[in-house]
Formats: sequence, structure tokens, C-alpha cells
Amino acid sequence: ETGVTQSPTHLIKTRGQQVTLRCSSQSGHNTVSWYQQALGQGPQFIFQYYREEENGRGNFPPRFSGLQFPNYSSELNVNALELDDSALYLCASSRYGAGNTIYFGEGSWLTVV
Amino acid sequence: GEDVEQSLFLSVREGDSSVINCTYTDSSSTYLYWYKQEPGAGLQLLTYIFSNMDMKQDQRLTVLLNKKDKHLSLRIADTQTGDSAIYFCAEKGFGGGADGLTFGKGTHLIIQP
Repeated sequence: ETGVTQSPTHLIKTRGQQVTLRCSSQSGHNTVSWYQQALGQGPQFIFQYYREEENGRGNFPPRFSGLQFPNYSSELNVNALELDDSALYLCASSRYGAGNTIYFGEGSWLTVV
Repeated sequence: GEDVEQSLFLSVREGDSSVINCTYTDSSSTYLYWYKQEPGAGLQLLTYIFSNMDMKQDQRLTVLLNKKDKHLSLRIADTQTGDSAIYFCAEKGFGGGADGLTFGKGTHLIIQP
């Protein structure tokens, strides 16, 4: 158990809809990152939040956005869902600058139909 | 951009050692990681190695890093059926702490009785 919790665990959305996924970071961790893992692939970095601001982003379009709250928890929002957005969305927490302990949650499975 | 490569499958007999290999391209990597993913689950951090080390041992796990060749390996001694999973190699570049992890596609470890 890593202490990183994500919700919901599974959800189904229709193309064009919007979705919000949530993550609570491990105690003592102030940085949250989000990853997308398509079936049969490795996770791909979406973005990272620190001090309630996005401070790093992978190759994802602006319809992927996020928030970080004062308690370090985070949300991932995806607008205008596409079929290719179907994937496991993983949240990772860490302490900023401490690259040795990056822990992942169990993920949220998103299916877009 | 940065790339991480792994073999897709490895089959070993129960009780033998498993060696999972990984190559990466980012010469500025600071940390390298091994994560384990069981079916339908998130990522479990197995171990990590800082880029100025060449070996790290943790119980049944041994990590070897050849920085010159950008090659990382994970050896699992006395492989058990519970080790059956997908193993991901990942690296973190030196991006002021804001870089995400770059993952390989994962190696499926198959244990033969």
C-alpha cells in the first residue's frame, strides 16, 4: 500500500463528454504527477503539479488539464473525450526534488464509447 | 525525445534467476527505476538507483547500471510464481524536478513451473 488513492476506479463516458479523476497523495508528499497508460503500453507522462501550479507537461493537448489543492490532492480533467482517451490513468506522488520515491496509485480505468 | 527500450517477454523456470534488461537514451538521467505491475493494478515501486551508482542490492533484487552503455538490468533471484507480472523500467531526466518519468513498454515475466 502506497498511500496514494485514486477515484473512481472505473468509469465509462461517451465521446465528447468531460471527465474528472481525483487523487490523494501520500502523506508528506507535495508533488502530484499524472500518467496515461494505454493497453499494452508503458505509462506516458501527462503533467506534474507542485505548489498548486503545473510545472511540467508531456505531449498532451490542452484539453487535458488539472488542479492541485492546498492539501496536495489533485484532479485531472479531460474535455471533449475521444475514443483514444480510453486508458488507465495513474497518479503518482512524491516530494519535490526527491526523485527516489515516486509512488503510484491503483489508477482509474476510463472507457470512452 | 528520450526513449526507453525493453524486451517484451521473458520466460523463466520457478527457482531460477530472472534478468530483465533495459536501455535508455537520456544521458542526463538522474534516477532509474523498476516498477512492477500485476494484472488490473497500478505500479509498485520495486527499487531505484541513482545515476552515480553502478549496483544496488535489495533482498532478492539486484540492479546493475552501466551508464556508459545506458543499460540497466534487474535480477530477481529465486523467481517465484508471485513474481509473474509486467516489469517497467523508467528514467527521470534532469529537468529541475519537473520532468516526468519516461517508461519502457514493459517486460512480461512468465514463470514456468
